[in-house]
Amino acid sequence: ETGVTQSPTHLIKTRGQQVTLRCSSQSGHNTVSWYQQALGQGPQFIFQYYREEENGRGNFPPRFSGLQFPNYSSELNVNALELDDSALYLCASSLWGASIDNEQFFGPGTRLTVL
Amino acid sequence: AQSVTQLDSHVSVSEGTPVLLRCNYSSSYSPSLFWYVQHPNKGLQLLLKYTSAATLVKGINGFEAEFKKSETSFHLTKPSAHMSDAAEYFCVVSGGYGGSQGNLIFGKGTKLSVKP
Repeated sequence: ETGVTQSPTHLIKTRGQQVTLRCSSQSGHNTVSWYQQALGQGPQFIFQYYREEENGRGNFPPRFSGLQFPNYSSELNVNALELDDSALYLCASSLWGASIDNEQFFGPGTRLTVL
Repeated sequence: AQSVTQLDSHVSVSEGTPVLLRCNYSSSYSPSLFWYVQHPNKGLQLLLKYTSAATLVKGINGFEAEFKKSETSFHLTKPSAHMSDAAEYFCVVSGGYGGSQGNLIFGKGTKLSVKP
């Protein structure tokens, strides 16, 4: 167990709705990254938050947005849900500057199904 | 730009026989490389990491990987497979340089099956 928790575990939404996913970082970590893992694929980087600001973004549209709070927990928000947004969403925490290797610790994920 | 290619989408071995999962990488600088494992309905677990120290890296559960710059490879091996090793394995390269910045770039994964 990494100490990274995510909620909810599963979620079912319909197309066009909005969704918020939550992540609590491992104790002592100040950086949170979010990844989308479609069925049968490797995770893809969505964005990273450090000091409550977005610090790097993958190839995802603006309807994917996030927040990081002073306690380093984080939210991923997705607006105008599309069927292709159905995936496992993974949160990973790390400590900025702790090591050169960018080691990240993953939570169990939230399974989002869009109908 | 950094990328990884996992050469096999599915590998099947018998219990007690060696495991070889192949990964090639592309990087414009000396990379940080990782292998993660994902069991069904579980999160990603770090098996091992390479960060420009020893080229032979030992990880958890008897896994190891060798960084070969001349071949741009980072293959994962285990001398003897166990039934509990059945899972999805991801080869990963760090997209950032230094510190905890940047993203991780995942391969498409290799599903390892272990037969009794």
